[in-house]
Amino acid sequence: DTAVSQTPKYLVTQMGNDKSIKCEQNLGHDTMYWYKQDSKKFLKIMFSYNNKELIINETVPNRFSPKSPDKAHLNLHINSLELGDSAVYFCASSQGWIGAPLHFGNGTRLTVT
Amino acid sequence: GESVGLHLPTLSVQEGDNSIINCAYSNSASDYFIWYKQESGKGPQFIIDIRSNMDKRQGQRVTVLLNKTVKHLSLQIAATQPGDSAVYFCAEKGAGSGNTGKLIFGQGTTLQVKP
Repeated sequence: DTAVSQTPKYLVTQMGNDKSIKCEQNLGHDTMYWYKQDSKKFLKIMFSYNNKELIINETVPNRFSPKSPDKAHLNLHINSLELGDSAVYFCASSQGWIGAPLHFGNGTRLTVT
Repeated sequence: GESVGLHLPTLSVQEGDNSIINCAYSNSASDYFIWYKQESGKGPQFIIDIRSNMDKRQGQRVTVLLNKTVKHLSLQIAATQPGDSAVYFCAEKGAGSGNTGKLIFGQGTTLQVKP
């Protein structure tokens, strides 16, 4: 069973569209994250939620809106997609956030054309 | 600002040899460090972590060394195997992140294992 699962794995869309990426974890963790990995493999945090409460909101365009319906799910909605949004988006979870390892999903490769 | 860097973007080793992957960090107040392995098409996978009150920690075939004096972190892999080929990231819990759990990742070192 996949611990942190994201859907879809690949997402190809045109500029201006709105898309969502879903994430679910079955580890019983209370903290979930979204990270963005660029073409040079650099990983940068976007958001984190603890028990459905937003903890981290990095300098991310407000076209990106995370939603956590419960502590096992953290979805990412992106409005008005731009070419620069093309990247691999990783969902992750951890138990607590003070020095706990993150468990990552396998990523969603978003390509905006 | 804070940064986490790795000394070499690519490391090539012979199967069976030991590998050492290095990482330098800038924030002396960081208190938690992690190494991740990322295989092609997959998400980063936790390898080992270390807190700042330690200078060495061992796992199965892996050892992490922390030198706070020079702000240097290294990952040693014993008897490197073809399955170890991947991109390796170090990450630190950033200063001021307090209870936010924000991890700052380095750029990554690609480990290539030659048969």
